[in-house]
Amino acid sequence: EDKVVQSPLSLVVHEGDTVTLNCSYEVTNFRSLLWYKQEKKAPTFLFMLTSSGIEKKSGRLSSILDKKELFSILNITATQTGDSAVYLCAVYNAGNMLTFGGGTRLMVKP
Amino acid sequence: EPEVTQTPSHQVTQMGQEVILRCVPISNHLYFYWYRQILGQKVEFLVSFYNNEISEKSEIFDDQFSVERPDGSNFTLKIRSTKLEDSAMYFCASKGDRIIYEQYFGPGTRLTVT
Repeated sequence: EDKVVQSPLSLVVHEGDTVTLNCSYEVTNFRSLLWYKQEKKAPTFLFMLTSSGIEKKSGRLSSILDKKELFSILNITATQTGDSAVYLCAVYNAGNMLTFGGGTRLMVKP
Repeated sequence: EPEVTQTPSHQVTQMGQEVILRCVPISNHLYFYWYRQILGQKVEFLVSFYNNEISEKSEIFDDQFSVERPDGSNFTLKIRSTKLEDSAMYFCASKGDRIIYEQYFGPGTRLTVT
């Protein structure tokens, strides 16, 4: 059975801090790993990672994948209160579906 | 920017009743999905749909569930006889084609079964 585990479960930081969110996975026929941000309702797409060692970057957010060690990290620098959300990691396998982790709840205090 | 839309945003139904949740995927997308998220739990895959047929389904997607693409734009999830444990947020998602992995999610329908 495919498994995706995220850590920490929750995190409280102050504005300006840098955070690192972790995602490890055990998936047969791995295709790609996706990060989503979930605020109130729908997960919104952040990154898709397919190759090891290539950093994806969007503003203050960046992510990298290690296919040998089966994990990914999502970094957020200079956090803002608007970054408060649940961050979801999901892995796409050959079966054409996403398996989600339980998420990391990030709270950024002013 | 194109987006996935879902209706209704909230549906309350009595146990044993049938419900139909509706989704309009992004217009040029070919793959469609339903996921659910029980309050406080993980997002769980239900079913994927391509070329007018189910391509993959999870153990959750039993005989009580069905999906349909009745026309060129809508994608529906039907639950024939709802149970209390069907109460959840149901998300529709779509993606462009086989080699594109990003799935775009709709805002969800909150289903409450009483």
